[in-house]
Amino acid sequence: LAKTTQPISMDSYEGQEVNITCSHNNIATNDYITWYQQFPSQGPRFIIQGYKTKVTNEVASLFIPADRKSSTLSLPRVSLSDTAVYYCLVGDNVQAGTALIFGKGTTLSVSS
Amino acid sequence: DAGVIQSPRHEVTEMGQEVTLRCKPISGHNSLFWYRQTMMRGLELLIYFNNNVPIDDSGMPEDRFSAKMPNASFSTLKIQPSEPRDSAVYFCASSLNPIGTGRYNSPLHFGNGTRLTVT
Repeated sequence: LAKTTQPISMDSYEGQEVNITCSHNNIATNDYITWYQQFPSQGPRFIIQGYKTKVTNEVASLFIPADRKSSTLSLPRVSLSDTAVYYCLVGDNVQAGTALIFGKGTTLSVSS
Repeated sequence: DAGVIQSPRHEVTEMGQEVTLRCKPISGHNSLFWYRQTMMRGLELLIYFNNNVPIDDSGMPEDRFSAKMPNASFSTLKIQPSEPRDSAVYFCASSLNPIGTGRYNSPLHFGNGTRLTVT
């Protein structure tokens, strides 16, 4: 069962780059890595997804090393509005029971 | 795109009453998921459907919980009878996944949830 480990919390200041690392030692060959962001009183929102190397979109970058046993979500120049809980999900195979499971996430607090 | 729509936004009820939560997924999505979120347990997957068929309900906590998806544009989660420990935020999510593969790697689109309080 692919399981993820993330830091419980992180603190940052406006304008800084924030990197949140997720460990997933048991990732399977066909598993994708997906990150979500959740604000209070809202449902989680998809940020970025990747399989290997690097993926970048308008919101964030996702770095995945060759062994794929971890991944790092990078948020450039955070602002106060980036304060949220960030979840890393790994796995997509229903039969293997790895799909769709959210861990505790990382609570990011951004201060001015 | 209106997104996933859930109703009601808030529900307050007394113990023993029946509660029905509603969800309209994004048009064209073929998978629908019900989650429950509490401070203690985080986000828990309760049940999910693929092409209106329940695939896995092993996350449903008790027989008091039931879910239906009569068509591609509507799903309900029912709790009967409700208990105070059912108090939580219930989220519905939908996605579009390759048919017949059993793989669910497409991004989930969540609604804003229903906050349920059972007194």
